[in-house]
Amino acid sequence: DTTVKQNPRYKLARVGKPVNLICSQTMNHDTMYWYQKKPNQAPKLLLFYYDKILNREADTFEKFQSSRPNNSFCSLYIGSAGLEYSAMYLCASSRLGGNQDTQYFGPGTRLLVL
Amino acid sequence: GEQVEQLPSILRVQEGSSASINCSYEDSASNYFPWYKQEPGENPKLIIDIRSNMERKQIQELIVLLDKKAKRFSLHITDTQPGDSAMYFCAASRITGNTGKLIFGLGTTLQVQP
Repeated sequence: DTTVKQNPRYKLARVGKPVNLICSQTMNHDTMYWYQKKPNQAPKLLLFYYDKILNREADTFEKFQSSRPNNSFCSLYIGSAGLEYSAMYLCASSRLGGNQDTQYFGPGTRLLVL
Repeated sequence: GEQVEQLPSILRVQEGSSASINCSYEDSASNYFPWYKQEPGENPKLIIDIRSNMERKQIQELIVLLDKKAKRFSLHITDTQPGDSAMYFCAASRITGNTGKLIFGLGTTLQVQP
């Protein structure tokens, strides 16, 4: 099973309110990623967890938080949503090392902030 | 630099003809180049990839070429079918140890006309 699941698929949030997105995989992958994709833009890496180590991109460091309570789950947390957070959020996972570096993507969560 | 340029943004071909998408990257240390296909409402799916120790790879009708000197790689779809119509993303990654970060191109919308 190479499925990456994301919940919810669609999320409507108010400006200033928190948002929590969930991703899960049962492939026992070491690494889980979160990407942000806006229309006419490439998917942009926000952060990733390798095992229990969180790596956040420098330009999004303060905007997003994440937690990984166990190997299968990873969340993306926005403390106070702004209009600019409206986007598709894609989760992916991979098992790095050797040639096992393929990233498998979930269906995405479409977030609309009003 | 970490940019990946992808051209064209839109590609229309007749069924049965070939389609080519070209990408270029900036980071000379990039060593992994996957291609993803995304259909409407679906998650991006890996269709083929190539590593820096190869110049050419073929899976059925998909051919990828890598020119490390020019820092370019390309996807060629021979004998296109209507089912090939989708958005295609190229990406480049530097896999080092246990980390790998995909830098995506903007994507190409391929339309195969019957």
